[in-house]
Amino acid sequence: DVKVTQSSRYLVKRTGEKVFLECVQDMDHENMFWYRQDPGLGLRLIYFSYDVKMKEKGDIPEGYSVSREKKERFSLILESASTNQTSMYLCASSLSGRYNEQFFGPGTRLTVL
Amino acid sequence: AQKVTQAQTEISVVEKEDVTLDCVYETRDTTYYLFWYKQPPSGELVFLIRRNSFDEQNEISGRYSWNFQKSTSSFNFTITASQVVDSAVYFCALSAAETGANNLFFGTGTRLTVIP
Repeated sequence: DVKVTQSSRYLVKRTGEKVFLECVQDMDHENMFWYRQDPGLGLRLIYFSYDVKMKEKGDIPEGYSVSREKKERFSLILESASTNQTSMYLCASSLSGRYNEQFFGPGTRLTVL
Repeated sequence: AQKVTQAQTEISVVEKEDVTLDCVYETRDTTYYLFWYKQPPSGELVFLIRRNSFDEQNEISGRYSWNFQKSTSSFNFTITASQVVDSAVYFCALSAAETGANNLFFGTGTRLTVIP
């Protein structure tokens, strides 16, 4: 069964902290994605990766970075968390190739105080 | 530029009623795919369907059906005889060359509440 897991369901951090959100997939997918979900805005793409050590900016990359050292793991990093980064963060993966469906993890609800 | 509009922010229906969720899209590409996802209260998005731009046949899967009309750029989703378990946020999404064909561009979602 397809599985995407995220390291935490809920996370509370303080302004200025460095935050790591981890995502692991067990489907041997090439593509991995990070989204944030906010009320009224839907899902917005932060970063994505087509392969190990490769990354591409999405629509809202400011304030974030990513790391993909292994195929199954894709990390989202908030270098210095700010209150406007309080959100739900969703990780997804898909096969390589075009127009494939993405499989999502359960999400991490991050609160920055 | 690509755009996905889900004009219905929230819908409430009584159990066993039929309900249609609207999705209107814009893209300059002639080849594209449309998707529907369900996000139950647990938070994980669940893939429901993928449809390519060259296949306008309607699709039915149990109580779910989808109506794709290129003439109106719409890909609407109907739930027949709704159940409480259908309560969720539903997202329509577009994948096209201009979005990056590996990527999905999501609408803002429709929250469906089914009242017992």
